[in-house]
Amino acid sequence: NAGVTQTPKFQVLKTGQSMTLQCAQDMNHNSMYWYRQDPGMGLRLIYYSASEGTTDKGEVPNGYNVSRLNKREFSLRLESAAPSQTSVYFCASSGRQGDLGAGTYEQYFGPGTRLTVT
Amino acid sequence: AQSVTQLGSHVSVSEGALVLLRCNYSSSVPPYLFWYVQYPNQGLQLLLKYTSAATLVKGINGFEAEFKKSETSFHLTKPSAHMSDAAEYFCAVGGSQGNLIFGKGTKLSVKP
Repeated sequence: NAGVTQTPKFQVLKTGQSMTLQCAQDMNHNSMYWYRQDPGMGLRLIYYSASEGTTDKGEVPNGYNVSRLNKREFSLRLESAAPSQTSVYFCASSGRQGDLGAGTYEQYFGPGTRLTVT
Repeated sequence: AQSVTQLGSHVSVSEGALVLLRCNYSSSVPPYLFWYVQYPNQGLQLLLKYTSAATLVKGINGFEAEFKKSETSFHLTKPSAHMSDAAEYFCAVGGSQGNLIFGKGTKLSVKP
């Protein structure tokens, strides 16, 4: 049981390049999330997927696209990277069928992708 | 709308001293509250969660938090700090769309 996995762990891009960050979970969770973490800003939600086949914008969606490929996988794409997208990106998942109350909110996080855009 | 405020971006304590990390929330409905810990270069790990079953919640590594509705607070405490507690701590509240809304985090330093 690997939990939430993310690839790659590190990436350096030049301005204007594109890339896709991959995330997978093996906990049979319904919901998946992408966050970015910047010093002093906490975690900010980029996009989330409440269930397979649905995606919604979070707090900071500009410059990003997502795909919920299936129940397990949720990818984040940067079409034209900018230096302002230098950050640490975390994927998380939550919510098994039958979860109630706080269990539906409890999120499990991947180890993160450290992205630098020069 | 739900929100979380963590007072103090940095807290420093001596080894063996009390740890107190402050969190205040705003929520129009009974909240689900969480504390997460992040060790350097790692993802976030759940410390504890408030589910309304009890106001004093015990978590991992000797941490606990008390839900005080009158003060809209959910402060995190540990009686005796250990060097291994040095990390960043995030308070979070359940949002209206099933997501979590995080505070900006408090970095805890532990001095020998």
